[in-house]
Amino acid sequence: AQSVSQHNHHVILSEAASLELGCNYSYGGTVNLFWYVQYPGQHLQLLLKYFSGDPLVKGIKGFEAEFIKSKFSFNLRKPSVQWSDTAEYFCAAARYSGGYQKVTFGTGTKLQVIP
Amino acid sequence: DAGVTQSPTHLIKTRGQQVTLRCSPKSGHDTVSWYQQALGQGPQFIFQYYEEEERQRGNFPDRFSGHQFPNYSSELNVNALLLGDSALYLCASSLGQGEDEQYFGPGTRLTVT
Repeated sequence: AQSVSQHNHHVILSEAASLELGCNYSYGGTVNLFWYVQYPGQHLQLLLKYFSGDPLVKGIKGFEAEFIKSKFSFNLRKPSVQWSDTAEYFCAAARYSGGYQKVTFGTGTKLQVIP
Repeated sequence: DAGVTQSPTHLIKTRGQQVTLRCSPKSGHDTVSWYQQALGQGPQFIFQYYEEEERQRGNFPDRFSGHQFPNYSSELNVNALLLGDSALYLCASSLGQGEDEQYFGPGTRLTVT
């Protein structure tokens, strides 16, 4: 069965610090990978996605993620966080069975940025 | 361009009751997926509807059922509610059955007492 692991449950950073959130997935076949963000009181929004091609993908608001196939990882990074980045971040992996997409989410990482 | 909408926003039910949640997909989308997000957890896939049929299902009991209408909107029904069914229920829509990102609605917060 497919699973997604996020190792950091709660991260606290000061503004301007660099961010890296870990994500590992277990499925050995072809997967598409996503990072979603949930700001306080808002719904899930897509930050970035990887389907194929360049393993370094850039998303909105200065976020990027690197797909490392050999490590089954898709870590999220941002060089300098802002207070407005305070949110919960979810890594997700989608695999396709019978032509239909099934998405598995990690448990999420709560990021708190201190001004 | 309307995004994904869900109703109601909040709902309180008693154990043993039945509940119906509703979702309207983003304009132009024809596939709807439902997720359960318990407190402190990531969304858990319940099932996905395309062309009015359930195409994929997660590890949820038969008490969870759904429906998709010709206009692509969808309902999630839960029978014989348990306290453990208390969660945020998310609807996500996408286009087709292929490789496309999902757009999420704001969710329905269900509390079972």
